Amino acid sequence: GQNIDQPTEMTATEGAIVQINCTYQTSGFNGLFWYQQHAGEAPTFLSYNVLDGLEEKGRFSSFLSRSKGYSYLLLKELQMKDSASYLCAVRGGNNRLAFGKGNQVVVIP
Amino acid sequence: EAGVAQSPRYKIIEKRQSVAFWCNPISGHATLYWYQQILGQGPKLLIQFQNNGVVDDSQLPKDRFSAERLKGVDSTLKIQPAKLEDSAVYLCASSPTGLGVDEQFFGPGTRLTVL
Repeated sequence: GQNIDQPTEMTATEGAIVQINCTYQTSGFNGLFWYQQHAGEAPTFLSYNVLDGLEEKGRFSSFLSRSKGYSYLLLKELQMKDSASYLCAVRGGNNRLAFGKGNQVVVIP
Repeated sequence: EAGVAQSPRYKIIEKRQSVAFWCNPISGHATLYWYQQILGQGPKLLIQFQNNGVVDDSQLPKDRFSAERLKGVDSTLKIQPAKLEDSAVYLCASSPTGLGVDEQFFGPGTRLTVL
């Protein structure tokens, strides 16, 4: 089975940097995804990690450590539109994508 | 490129009634998924199709939920009879192959309220 743990909510100021953590336990591992979900909307893809290390994509970066079962998503230069839920999802050995509950980020002026 | 289409967007029914949701995936995508997302939680996979065959339905409550993907394109998800705890957003997603780095593209979802 798969178990994914994320903190539930955080507040940050516009222009700041915020780190969203995700720890997981899984039978087999075929990659970790981060999705962004605005209230009332569908999730949209942000990043994918399958090897250890940091993947950078503009203002967003994602890090993976497979040995620790740990990932984080780093959001830089926060903007008001970044207020959303950030979902960590792990693709296990059965190729099923299991999502965490999401971390609600609230950006304030 | 057109995205994943779903209908209806909203549905309100009473418990014990039946309801059906429709999904049209991105053209050419072999893999189609139905997820259930309860308020405050992440999406939970109900069923995954590869073309018109079922790959994973281990989390589908088969006594009341059913899904089909005839001709390997559109799909319908049915609940019969509905229970209060079925109130959720039902998301359809599709991806080219369902493997590796394959990104899943989500539709807007159907918000179901069971009274």
